[in-house]
Amino acid sequence: AQSVAQPEDQVNVAEGNPLTVKCTYSVSGNPYLFWYVQYPNRGLQFLLKYITGDNLVKGSYGFEAEFNKSQTSFHLKKPSALVSDSALYFCAVRDPSEGAGSYQLTFGKGTKLSVIP
Amino acid sequence: GAVVSQHPSWVICKSGTSVKIECRSLDFQATTMFWYRQFPKQSLMLMATSNEGSKATYEQGVEKDKFLINHASLTLSTLTVTSAHPEDSSFYICSAISTGFTNEKLFFGSGTQLSVL
Repeated sequence: AQSVAQPEDQVNVAEGNPLTVKCTYSVSGNPYLFWYVQYPNRGLQFLLKYITGDNLVKGSYGFEAEFNKSQTSFHLKKPSALVSDSALYFCAVRDPSEGAGSYQLTFGKGTKLSVIP
Repeated sequence: GAVVSQHPSWVICKSGTSVKIECRSLDFQATTMFWYRQFPKQSLMLMATSNEGSKATYEQGVEKDKFLINHASLTLSTLTVTSAHPEDSSFYICSAISTGFTNEKLFFGSGTQLSVL
């Protein structure tokens, strides 16, 4: 069975500084990896995904994530944090053995990002 | 973008009563809907998957007689927590997708906080 770990409950970063939110995964075969963001009182929103191809994936709002197969990681990054980036971030993995018709995701517990002005 | 509306956003009920949570897709036909529950600082745990017009598929350990899921139309799924007890207190989240959509088009409701007294 697949699993996702987000080792940090909270990440604090000063506005303008680079940010990293960590994620490691465990899955058989090649993973499909995702990042979602949840703002207060809103549903989860898709940020980016890795299926195949370039290890560096670019997504919404200037975020990017780097797939590292040897370290089984998929850390979320942004070169310069904004106060408006403060939210809850979830990493998720989809088991490729489920087939193309499956949309089931396994989520990490989430990391709260606080960007300090 | 597509929107999934989830109501109520929070509910308080007495032990032994039943609570219904609605999940609506507002501008697309949701052929598949997922229901999750989330405890504080924990992952989103998939409870069940429902396909329109079919019985829901429950994850291991989830009592189908306690968590009744109805997906009778392409725009509405409901989760009814029957004979609720304090241990059912949790954050419940729905998500919806349409056949043929890719994973980035998995849209989430804003969640329902259930507190059972």
